[in-house]
Amino acid sequence: QQQVKQSPQSLIVQKGGISIINCAYENTAFDYFPWYQQFPGKGPALLIAIRPDVSEKKEGRFTISFNKSAKQFSLHIMDSQPGDSATYFCAATRPHSGTYKYIFGTGTRLKVLA
Amino acid sequence: EPEVTQTPSHQVTQMGQEVILRCVPISNHLYFYWYRQILGQKVEFLVSFYNNEISEKSEIFDDQFSVERPDGSNFTLKIRSTKLEDSAMYFCASGPEGETQYFGPGTRLLVL
Repeated sequence: QQQVKQSPQSLIVQKGGISIINCAYENTAFDYFPWYQQFPGKGPALLIAIRPDVSEKKEGRFTISFNKSAKQFSLHIMDSQPGDSATYFCAATRPHSGTYKYIFGTGTRLKVLA
Repeated sequence: EPEVTQTPSHQVTQMGQEVILRCVPISNHLYFYWYRQILGQKVEFLVSFYNNEISEKSEIFDDQFSVERPDGSNFTLKIRSTKLEDSAMYFCASGPEGETQYFGPGTRLLVL
């Protein structure tokens, strides 16, 4: 119940294309769903996050779509660029004594071809 | 832009030795976390810390691990007697409120 399943494991997209990464969860207590971008040798960087009371959130070229009934959420990267090539992690969390333990997905390695 | 910093960036140690990984969270953040990432695997939660005490810990965080906030700026993770399987990248994170977390660049720990 604590797992977050992420797919695909890797993704190759042409420059200008749309990259789509999917995540699914089981624990209905999760109430915050962030996406992180990680470049090799660096720490995860917060990209965008959503709560289950909205179905979509957009920030620039990045959009999260959230389907509460299906317990799924996805990251869409519009107009993908070579600089977007990185590993993307979804996560889910719920509060516990004021803090939030992130449960991360297994990651998606995105490569955008120039 | 404020950042979480971590030292050292790399640490090599012998099995059985103690290591201390250091983190300087973003100023004014109140919530602190340690995670680890074994090479090629996902990021795993170790411990959360708030109001000068552990809020939650994972099953990985056994008696060999401890955390401390020795002063107003540092947050440390101590591994008392390192094992080969402790080799990983260790990330510190901090947040102004519970759910948003900003990660540091990590410390790569190699136990020989």
